[in-house]
Amino acid sequence: KQEVTQIPAALSVPEGENLVLNCSFTDSAIYNLQWFRQDPGKGLTSLLLIQSSQREQTSGRLNASLDKSSGRSTLYIAASQPGDSATYLCAMRDANAGKSTFGDGTTLTVKP
Amino acid sequence: DTGVSQDPRHKITKRGQNVTFRCDPISEHNRLYWYRQTLGQGPEFLTYFQNEAQLEKSRLLSDRFSAERPKGSFSTLEIQRTEQGDSAMYLCASSLVTTSGKDTQYFGPGTRLTVL
Repeated sequence: KQEVTQIPAALSVPEGENLVLNCSFTDSAIYNLQWFRQDPGKGLTSLLLIQSSQREQTSGRLNASLDKSSGRSTLYIAASQPGDSATYLCAMRDANAGKSTFGDGTTLTVKP
Repeated sequence: DTGVSQDPRHKITKRGQNVTFRCDPISEHNRLYWYRQTLGQGPEFLTYFQNEAQLEKSRLLSDRFSAERPKGSFSTLEIQRTEQGDSAMYLCASSLVTTSGKDTQYFGPGTRLTVL
């Protein structure tokens, strides 16, 4: 059974700082990995998707990596802004492209 | 197409009542997923469909829960005899499965259920 852990549960940084969010998983037999952003009371917005065969993806100030051998993924946010404040969730899609298993998220606060 | 839509956005009901939620996926997407999320937790998988076939159900989906996707288009999730523990955000997602591994799950805004 896939288990996904995100540490820390909460993170507060000053504006402009670069930061890394961590995600660990127990089963490397995945179809893909997605990082999502969730604002309070809202649905999930997809940020980045990494296929099982890939090691990283970049979009603007965001870079996500995947290391299946160690069971880890990271989301790097460069030059953080107050608008980046949200909860960030990682999700492992199982090998047959069925369900996703989510971590409980890291709540990021970027202070002006 | 503007994305995945869900209706209603909020539902307040009394314990013991039945409720039904609707999800309209992105039109060309062949897979549709239901998740449940409680405060401070990540979404938990409930069930998913490929076209009209229900391919997997979580053990979380007790016999009070039923989901359908007639004609492989919209989906409904019904909860019978609601309990206070059913209070949560119910999220729907859709994707277009390919062999490339690139298919992305797109989520709707969710339906927040409060059982009094």
